[in-house]
Amino acid sequence: GQQLNQSPQSMFIQEGEDVSMNCTSSSIFNTWLWYKQDPGEGPVLLIALYKAGELTSNGRLTAQFGITRKDSFLNISASIPSDVGIYFCAGRPSFTGANSKLTFGKGITLSVRP
Amino acid sequence: DSGVTQTPKHLITATGQRVTLRCSPRSGDLSVYWYQQSLDQGLQFLIQYYNGEERAKGNILERFSAQQFPDLHSELNLSSLELGDSALYFCASSVERTGDSGANVLTFGAGSRLTVL
Repeated sequence: GQQLNQSPQSMFIQEGEDVSMNCTSSSIFNTWLWYKQDPGEGPVLLIALYKAGELTSNGRLTAQFGITRKDSFLNISASIPSDVGIYFCAGRPSFTGANSKLTFGKGITLSVRP
Repeated sequence: DSGVTQTPKHLITATGQRVTLRCSPRSGDLSVYWYQQSLDQGLQFLIQYYNGEERAKGNILERFSAQQFPDLHSELNLSSLELGDSALYFCASSVERTGDSGANVLTFGAGSRLTVL
């Protein structure tokens, strides 16, 4: 089945630093989504991307849909303690149409040191 | 509040038992997905229903079953529980409108944490 690769599994940064996360696939995707999961909660959608090359911002977050359609990245600028959580990328393969199953990466756990 | 309601929030039971997890999708969403998240694991897709019909099946064990009712709420039944079934179970919903990518974004509930002792 489809797999999305997110690494490393954990990231540790200092408050105020910027951080970048990458998500790659061996197949072409037509939708890329970034979710954040706070401890004990369900994932919450941060940014949705639908077009190759698209760059979208949501406050301090910026995400891009890779031009090859096989990757996406998420940047968090000027990190704050509440950025702590697990960041999941998710993608929908292009060959199976709009109703194809969303595939999730394993997530990156972000820790922010005050 | 995401609009997706899951009950119960926490559940503790013994091996061999059977439990039912309930999910009410966001108003207007026709599709319900179930995911399992174990410790240090990502989100494992179990099953999807669309307007009462099974749409897609993932890594769902034979001991597990689900259904979506006419009012669109869904239940996930877990039977003959084993220690390894302890996990967070998430329900997510979407509109699932063909040709509208934005309508296919998943909205997650807060999850049901199952502990099997």
